[in-house]
Amino acid sequence: EAGVVQSPRYKIIEKKQPVAFWCNPISGHNTLYWYLQNLGQGPELLIRYENEEAVDDSQLPKDRFSAERLKGVDSTLKIQPAELGDSAVYLCASSLGGRNTGELFFGEGSRLTVL
Amino acid sequence: AQRVTQPEKLLSVFKGAPVELKCNYSYSGSPELFWYVQYSRQRLQLLLRHISRESIKGFTADLNKGETSFHLKKPFAQEEDSAMYYCALMRNFNKFYFGSGTKLNVKP
Repeated sequence: EAGVVQSPRYKIIEKKQPVAFWCNPISGHNTLYWYLQNLGQGPELLIRYENEEAVDDSQLPKDRFSAERLKGVDSTLKIQPAELGDSAVYLCASSLGGRNTGELFFGEGSRLTVL
Repeated sequence: AQRVTQPEKLLSVFKGAPVELKCNYSYSGSPELFWYVQYSRQRLQLLLRHISRESIKGFTADLNKGETSFHLKKPFAQEEDSAMYYCALMRNFNKFYFGSGTKLNVKP
């Protein structure tokens, strides 16, 4: 089992350019999360999916960020246009869902640098 | 509202010394609390959860509702314990809030 897979691992772009991140959760995990982790901070939730439904996107800056989880499996997170302040690590995590035991399984993260 | 607070950014101890990583939370309901750990060049992973009342790698954490704390403790630190530690609170089964993390450095 490869665990949660994210790509790309690293991305460097200029401001105002678009960027997309991809996540493949652990097979059978219904709940998928995208977290933002700024330097020196803990993960902050951007969006949570239960299957294909976004059930919590209150922290997602919808003017420039979008996400989708077609067919309730893979997910993509897009930023368009990127700003300097978007430089951070974007973490994807998945869990079984339902009455969660509290174990999130994280990917290795996608580190974004906006120049 | 800040729900999980880890007051120490960095904690340095010598090998064999006791270690305590502090975590305080604010939540009006019945909290479920966890410690996650990230070793160097590894992904973030669950260390332990309060509901299990277990000891993992010699670490324990007791939920103190009166002090709203969930401090992580180990009586004798090892060099391999050096990592980033994040306290997390879960509500509504699937909503997690993480603290800002404490970097533990165990010196030889």
